[in-house]
Parts: sequence; C-alpha cells; structure tokens
Amino acid sequence: QLQESGPRLVEPSGTLSLTCTASGGSIYNPYWWAWVRQAPGRGLEWIGQTFHRGSSDYNPSLKSRVTISVDKPNNRFSLKLSYVTAADTAVYFCAREGSPARPNRVRGAFDVWGPGTAVAVSS
Amino acid sequence: QSLLTQPPSASATPGQRVTLSCSGGRSNIETLPVNWYQHVPGAAPKLLIFSNDQRPSGVPDRFSGSKSRSSASLVISDLQSEDEADYYCAAWDDSLNAVAFGGGTKLTVL
Repeated sequence: QLQESGPRLVEPSGTLSLTCTASGGSIYNPYWWAWVRQAPGRGLEWIGQTFHRGSSDYNPSLKSRVTISVDKPNNRFSLKLSYVTAADTAVYFCAREGSPARPNRVRGAFDVWGPGTAVAVSS
Repeated sequence: QSLLTQPPSASATPGQRVTLSCSGGRSNIETLPVNWYQHVPGAAPKLLIFSNDQRPSGVPDRFSGSKSRSSASLVISDLQSEDEADYYCAAWDDSLNAVAFGGGTKLTVL
C-alpha cells in the first residue's frame, strides 16, 4: 500500500514537497516509484519516477523543477517541485510501476496507487 | 496537448458494448505497450489493461484491450452502471523518454 503525505498549501514560488510511504513491501523491490498528478478539470499527468538504485526519469515539461528520490531507511520516496505556481495546484498521486506477477517491466503500467493528496498553490 | 489522443466523451446504456480509442504514433503506441486505466473521480486510478491486452488479476474479463499499428482500443462488454468513470490510455514515449497519458475519455452510462 502507498500513502502520500505533505503540506496541503504551498506559496507561489516555493517548493512543493510530498512523501509516499510504502507499507507491506520494501522500497528495495525491483519496481519503479512514480508521481502522477491531476489538476482541476484536467487529465492525468505523469511527473516522473525513480528506481531505488538511483535512476530517474522526468516529464520534460517539469524536468527543470522536479526531483524524485528514494529514502531507503524509511521505506518511502519523495517528490520535490520547485518554483511552483497556481498551475501546479492538483491532486498528487504516488504509484508503483510493477507487480510480483509481472517479472518483466512494462513502462507506464502502475499497479498500485496511493489515494492521492490535494495540494493548492496560493498565498 | 497530449501525445496520445482520446475522444473526450462516450456514452452507452447498461448491457451494451462500448469501444474507447487511443491514437498515438511511432514513438509510443506503434512500437511500445499500451496500458489502460479507470479513474473514478475522488479515488485512485486503477490499472485495467497492461501490455496492450493483458488484464491484472481481479479485473473482470468484460474489459479487453487491443492494439493495431498506432492505435489502441479498450472494449467494455456488458456495460454496468459502475463502469461510469474516466478512462485513460498510457504508454512510454521513446522520443520524450517519458510516460504519456491520453487526455482521457469520460464514459457515461445512460
């Protein structure tokens, strides 16, 4: 299971920081750990994902502002999005790409999701 | 504007069969696996289909996927009221080195 946590309100030009805690399994498992968001009235947008060994991929439109990293001792991973604006107001989901039943990686197949957390950018 | 194109809406009555489409290109759907998600507003998205036509455990066989060249389809048979949701296709794009989501199709069960 995955659970997002972090501030619900961020000031413009600040940094949005969210954490996703994985329970019932290790962050060391051979999965990729991702963040996806949905702005009000919009569709799903992939933010990026990381592997516990340090590799990461990011949405080109957000790459200059995003860092996704794994916190191994605490079995969680995090999202940092800098220089936020109102356009970054969204529900943020963390997700796991991969399944024990699927040994071969299928990119973009997110089997497990957190419930999502709403973050507003406002002063 | 999404790399993957989906019609914004679709509708059908209970018991009918509905086909949702997703159109892409050579750097995504044509050469790489397509995945489909069901998203009920307020809940987490759910993986319905991976690798074009594979169902994760627990997904009813009323849901099926297929792919032909640069287009993919999700078919929902014997439509039920609880199928009313937003449906998204997703695939890796080799040009962007990123996961691309379609814009989503809002399915209404009349």
